Amino acid sequence: DAKTTQPTSMDCAEGRAANLPCNHSTISGNEYVYWYRQIHSQGPQYIIHGLKNNETNEMASLIITEDRKSSTLILPHATLRDTAVYYCIVSPTGTASKLTFGTGTRLQVTL
Amino acid sequence: GAVVSQHPSRVICKSGTSVKIECRSLDFQATTMFWYRQFPKQSLMLMATSNEGSKATYEQGVEKDKFLINHASLTLSTLTVTSAHPEDSSFYICSARRGAKNIQYFGAGTRLSVL
Repeated sequence: DAKTTQPTSMDCAEGRAANLPCNHSTISGNEYVYWYRQIHSQGPQYIIHGLKNNETNEMASLIITEDRKSSTLILPHATLRDTAVYYCIVSPTGTASKLTFGTGTRLQVTL
Repeated sequence: GAVVSQHPSRVICKSGTSVKIECRSLDFQATTMFWYRQFPKQSLMLMATSNEGSKATYEQGVEKDKFLINHASLTLSTLTVTSAHPEDSSFYICSARRGAKNIQYFGAGTRLSVL
């Protein structure tokens, strides 16, 4: 699976948009971009995923560049409860695929 | 979203004993479940892939005789840590894959402490 690069940490003021970047320059044509987050001492939570089109759901938006070499997860109005480690993972779909977690970005939302 | 239940949430055991952790998909069937381990301040490391009705696939370096996995039904996978030692103390997390798009839904994790 392709490797991803994320900033180690980011801060965001509560109520502002949090924009979390991810580089995946070696992504293959059949690989999706997945975002998960892990709040301290809990299991990871699925956020969103996409192939090449931008995606939006009730939690976040995912913007994927046209060349698919990078993406940005957007939390439109961050709250204190969004403080977590955010993982960007690229992986193909299919029964044999699995998720490889990197070190992620530690997002700290502050008052 | 899909719900995955993991039990127990915390267990303390003596060295040399075995511990069983259960992972259940509550509102969907999962032919594939995964077991991860996470040490403090580290990321999740995949231990094994659990397939319903067949043997689990272990990642390199994970002892299959020490970490026994059983996936006897479409909603239940169990991980048994046999002859636990203090170095097995960790946060164990399971997940279940739903559908063909490789979305995994995770349990809340089990914190194992071996004395």
